[in-house]
Amino acid sequence: GESVGLHLPTLSVQEGDNSIINCAYSNSASDYFIWYKQESGKGPQFIIDIRSNMDKRQGQRVTVLLNKTVKHLSLQIAATQPGDSAVYFCAEKGGGGGSNYKLTFGKGTLLTVNP
Amino acid sequence: GAVVSQHPSWVICKSGTSVKIECRSLDFQATTMFWYRQFPKQSLMLMATSNEGSKATYEQGVEKDKFLINHASLTLSTLTVTSAHPEDSSFYICSASRTSHNEQFFGPGTRLTVL
Repeated sequence: GESVGLHLPTLSVQEGDNSIINCAYSNSASDYFIWYKQESGKGPQFIIDIRSNMDKRQGQRVTVLLNKTVKHLSLQIAATQPGDSAVYFCAEKGGGGGSNYKLTFGKGTLLTVNP
Repeated sequence: GAVVSQHPSWVICKSGTSVKIECRSLDFQATTMFWYRQFPKQSLMLMATSNEGSKATYEQGVEKDKFLINHASLTLSTLTVTSAHPEDSSFYICSASRTSHNEQFFGPGTRLTVL
């Protein structure tokens, strides 16, 4: 049988270009968001986080933007390098009630950096 | 600091057998550990949350009698997949946090293949 709907969004960029990876989150009550990088066969690696009282946060070569109005999160990677090739996940936390300690992961985006 | 290990990193077993996966926090005490499952090209899905010394809390749809979780110490949690079947083949990832609301530190994952 054919697999249904199991495709990762992909983004292919040239080395040195800037990358923008987008994420739509689901819970308007979430108050903490994290971007993770996952290389093949490895666990998620923390990149950057942001709380809901902020709309932008910068790290080294990375910037996270949060738009709570439309429940959208983005990760910008400056001067993308081949080592940045991986799957990137956003995760949200703080849905309220008894589950506000859990992380809910987005679908992920496969970033491929071409040399 | 905040290193989490998993053992084994991969395992192949026959259908019907049980497999135990260990998750250890190497340099901190983890009151809470989380177990995730990740199928190919998909996101991480939380299976259960375990707090040291108490019973694990399972997510909806996860069979507690099939996926046995033990969190007997502040540095070790185990996941036992009982009577494994090919559909249990997946990448199992744990995370650990000092308390349930603190940052989660992820392990490198365990690849389970059931023949």
